[in-house]
Amino acid sequence: GAGVSQSPSNKVTEKGKDVELRCDPISGHTALYWYRQRLGQGLEFLIYFQGNSAPDKSGLPSDRFSAERTGESVSTLTIQRTQQEDSAVYLCASSLPRTGMNTEAFFGQGTRLTVV
Amino acid sequence: EDQVTQSPEALRLQEGESSSLNCSYTVSGLRGLFWYRQDPGKGPEFLFTLYSAGEEKEKERLKATLTKKESFLHITAPKPEDSATYLCAVHIYGQNFVFGPGTRLSVLP
Repeated sequence: GAGVSQSPSNKVTEKGKDVELRCDPISGHTALYWYRQRLGQGLEFLIYFQGNSAPDKSGLPSDRFSAERTGESVSTLTIQRTQQEDSAVYLCASSLPRTGMNTEAFFGQGTRLTVV
Repeated sequence: EDQVTQSPEALRLQEGESSSLNCSYTVSGLRGLFWYRQDPGKGPEFLFTLYSAGEEKEKERLKATLTKKESFLHITAPKPEDSATYLCAVHIYGQNFVFGPGTRLSVLP
């Protein structure tokens, strides 16, 4: 597609339920990032995928968070047993390989997650 | 510790009143510095990439500059539609993007 696509755009879930967020990166972009943005806050790095390399999971806040990516395409971020502090906008970005020159990341519109 | 700060936290300008936003960084091994614009309820929109000290990039009313310790985003004769949060991010060798907290810009007509 022309840009990074995320779904759903909004998700309201009950505390304790699991949720799955989806990201379709720009075609040809081998790098994919997940960020979290709480209301009025900056972007918090969660996880990074680069091709078939092992993902950088250093930003995941707890073992309730996990992410997968199929090859160089779709990625899903899963949050198990959601808690109210998980409420935030989850942003996905993709870019060309970070070893190249043009490493700017392009963002999707985000998924707004509300845990009630 | 790698750190990115932005100032001011918020800025209110009258239409046509030029100003500058600051992004200061303390990182080891800067790969590139990026400026993004974020409108409420939307994802960040890429504006500029700067790779080396002394580099400048321009786009319409915006101009970004880079030194070894900071970057400035100059806004010339801003319009109300320039109102947004402006985010600075650094890309560190072997690591990921580290974002600053942003500057909320309001341009009043």
